[in-house]
Amino acid sequence: GESVGLHLPTLSVQEGDNSIINCAYSNSASDYFIWYKQESGKGPQFIIDIRSNMDKRQGQRVTVLLNKTVKHLSLQIAATQPGDSAVYFCAENDTGRRALTFGSGTRLQVQP
Amino acid sequence: EPEVTQTPSHQVTQMGQEVILRCVPISNHLYFYWYRQILGQKVEFLVSFYNNEISEKSEIFDDQFSVERPDGSNFTLKIRSTKLEDSAMYFCASSGVGANNYAGELFFGEGSRLTVL
Repeated sequence: GESVGLHLPTLSVQEGDNSIINCAYSNSASDYFIWYKQESGKGPQFIIDIRSNMDKRQGQRVTVLLNKTVKHLSLQIAATQPGDSAVYFCAENDTGRRALTFGSGTRLQVQP
Repeated sequence: EPEVTQTPSHQVTQMGQEVILRCVPISNHLYFYWYRQILGQKVEFLVSFYNNEISEKSEIFDDQFSVERPDGSNFTLKIRSTKLEDSAMYFCASSGVGANNYAGELFFGEGSRLTVL
């Protein structure tokens, strides 16, 4: 079911540590997955994406892992910086549709 | 760097009034979207628009909502008779054509906050 409410799960890490943010999705037909970062008062910003024919994709300081068997997506941020503090959303999409379905978000707090 | 721009940044309106939210997508993009985010909740899809017509819409996008691309640069969302529950941040997004004809990476604007009293 959908997760609603004012309280986001929060991940608090020390600057320089690695962060792992997890997301579970429910639509077996989804074949495209994206991680977005949303800073306070701003729109979602694309971080990295992955298609269902892959299980891992790396960007600059970020890695996305996809486990289709258990419908799980994760975002790994290496050497987390204060500027990484934001809410992170996963989003999914299936072939032929334009709509992205967003997850409920995780707040990342980086302690200096 | 090209960006999606939205106006107004904040609009306060009375219940029952009409509002129009405006967006200027990135100039060479072909797909346009509206999403909304009620305070503290997830981002929700409203509608997608391609080739001057709606290509997909959600259950939220009922008869009170409409979209238009009145000229070559603007993309608007109209809410005909606002309700209290329409209070939210409304995000416009645009995308080009990605690989394998996917819509490609979505670029979001900064949002228009709508407050219905």
